[in-house]
Amino acid sequence: DAGVIQSPRHEVTEMGQEVTLRCKPISGHNSLFWYRQTMMRGLELLIYFNNNVPIDDSGMPEDRFSAKMPNASFSTLKIQPSEPRDSAVYFCASRPTRLAGGTDTQYFGPGTRLTVL
Amino acid sequence: AQKITQTQPGMFVQEKEAVTLDCTYDTSDPSYGLFWYKQPSSGEMIFLIYQGSYDQQNATEGRYSLNFQKARKSANLVISASQLGDSAMYFCAMREVGAQKLVFGQGTRLTINP
Repeated sequence: DAGVIQSPRHEVTEMGQEVTLRCKPISGHNSLFWYRQTMMRGLELLIYFNNNVPIDDSGMPEDRFSAKMPNASFSTLKIQPSEPRDSAVYFCASRPTRLAGGTDTQYFGPGTRLTVL
Repeated sequence: AQKITQTQPGMFVQEKEAVTLDCTYDTSDPSYGLFWYKQPSSGEMIFLIYQGSYDQQNATEGRYSLNFQKARKSANLVISASQLGDSAMYFCAMREVGAQKLVFGQGTRLTINP
């Protein structure tokens, strides 16, 4: 089975440009999470969706960040305009529907390494 | 307050030895889940093992086991018979019931020496 797919794997852009990161969750998973990893702050949740609906976006740093999930198999994280401090690795993770007695493991994609110059 | 504490920034171990990576957590919720992830130099986050707070037995997955001591709020990862490919960052994480996000520790960088 394919895991979580993210694209691009690497992105280098200039300050002020728009950046769009893409994620395809594991088929059948109904929850999707966007995390950011930096040396200073570690791994932190930005936003998560349940059944394509944004549930908690309290981790989104500011209005420059937005995320959408138009259907169960696709999500985007957009940064507009980008700034050098946005440089980080952005992970997408998905989780299956929680069943009685089941775990709630999140499975991560390979990440997108973003560099904003 | 730090929810997840990993006190070992780095560890060096000889190949084939067993390794214990420490993790302590802080929660007042009686129901929670604990996770370990491996992040090799290539960058991906690989799920290793899960322990539920109500699980009676310590979780095991192949060479990985979780030493769960609920009263001490610790969830140490034990890797038996370490291999060179085990060299990576290891993250402990917790999910409280009612919260959807995983809260991660700062990680431990494990280096296996030949």
